[in-house]
This record gives sequence, C-alpha cells and structure tokens, in this order.
Amino acid sequence: DTGVSQDPRHKITKRGQNVTFRCDPISEHNRLYWYRQTLGQGPEFLTYFQNEAQLEKSRLLSDRFSAERPKGSFSTLEIQRTEQGDSAMYLCASSLKDRGTGNTIYFGEGSWLTVV
Amino acid sequence: GNSVTQMEGPVTLSEEAFLTINCTYTATGYPSLFWYVQYPGEGLQLLLKATKADDKGSNKGFEATYRKETTSFHLEKGSVQVSDSAVYFCALRGAGGYNKLIFGAGTRLAVHP
Repeated sequence: DTGVSQDPRHKITKRGQNVTFRCDPISEHNRLYWYRQTLGQGPEFLTYFQNEAQLEKSRLLSDRFSAERPKGSFSTLEIQRTEQGDSAMYLCASSLKDRGTGNTIYFGEGSWLTVV
Repeated sequence: GNSVTQMEGPVTLSEEAFLTINCTYTATGYPSLFWYVQYPGEGLQLLLKATKADDKGSNKGFEATYRKETTSFHLEKGSVQVSDSAVYFCALRGAGGYNKLIFGAGTRLAVHP
C-alpha cells in the first residue's frame, strides 16, 4: 500500500501565475478530499469527491480554484492567478466508503505553495 | 455548526512526563472523534479514533476517551518521549454520510531530554 501521494511537494511561484497540484489516493479509495493548512492552523476543508463527482465545495474555494477527478482516481487542484494569500500547504486525503473500516481518512504529505 | 477547540500550545515537557492535551467539541448528533499527529515537514497521520460515546482510542501509548457528557476527547500519554515532539490535532467527523473532518487549531508538543 503506497498511501496518498501528492506532487509536487514544494512549489514556489510568482504572483499571478497558475499552479496545479496532483493527488493520487490510496488504491480503490472512492472518496477524495482537499484541505488547506496555513502556518499555525489546523487544516481547513476545501472540497470533496466521491468517485468523479465533486459533491461539496467550501466557501474558501474561490473562483480561482478548481478541482477535478476526471476518472475517479487521481485528482488535480488548480489555482489560477495566484495571490500571496494562497501560500499554504495543500493536503489531499482519501477514504473508502465502507462501514467496516470506519471510513478512516488518510492524508498525503501535502504540497507546499509559496507565492512570491 | 460543528467545531473543535483545543488547548493552546506550545506544551513543553521533560522526557517521561505525563501528557494531557485538552479537546472539546460542538456537534449535533453523534460525531466520530480523532487525534491526528503532524511531524515537522510532514502530512497528518491518524493517531487514534473513537466512534461512539465511552469508546477509548489508543495507539503508541496515547489514549483518549470519548466523553459525550462533557463533549471532550482529551489526549493523554503516561510517559512522553523526545520522539513524540510534533503538532497534535483533534478532529471530528459529523454523524452520517461522508462527512468531512473538522479540525482544531492544533497543539504543538515539545519534549526535552
């Protein structure tokens, strides 16, 4: 089991540029989540997919943010026209819709974004 | 809405000291409760969980008991080690459906030899 994989781990970009993060969930996990974590704070929910359907989006997810999970496997999170306030760690997580496992949510190691 | 409140850090302890990190929650129904740990530069790892009232989650010497009457899920460890230094997050997941995790702000623990 390879766990949740995120790429890139670190990204430095200039303000106004677009960035894209990729997440590969644990194999066969049908639920996928994106969170954002700023320094000294707990993770904040951004969006959730079940298979390829995006079922919930937080109000934190402005129009500049878009997430996809086209085939119900990997997901991408794109930020357009980045701003300095977007600097944060973007965490991906996945879980399996199965009552027997208690729906434990597993996190990746995160993608650090620095906007300069 | 649902929320989680944790004691502020940092918590600084000597090795082998007793640890308590307080966590209280506000939620409708019967949420599941979790403790996650984050080591420097890494993502979150599930430490322990409890899914119903009076359940005790335990792992690696850490324990937490789901107390519905006090809406609490305090994390404890009898004897901390330097390697336990990390940030600890209390979280809840609402009852029913997929519901997302809602996290507290985190408590940084520093253990000195």
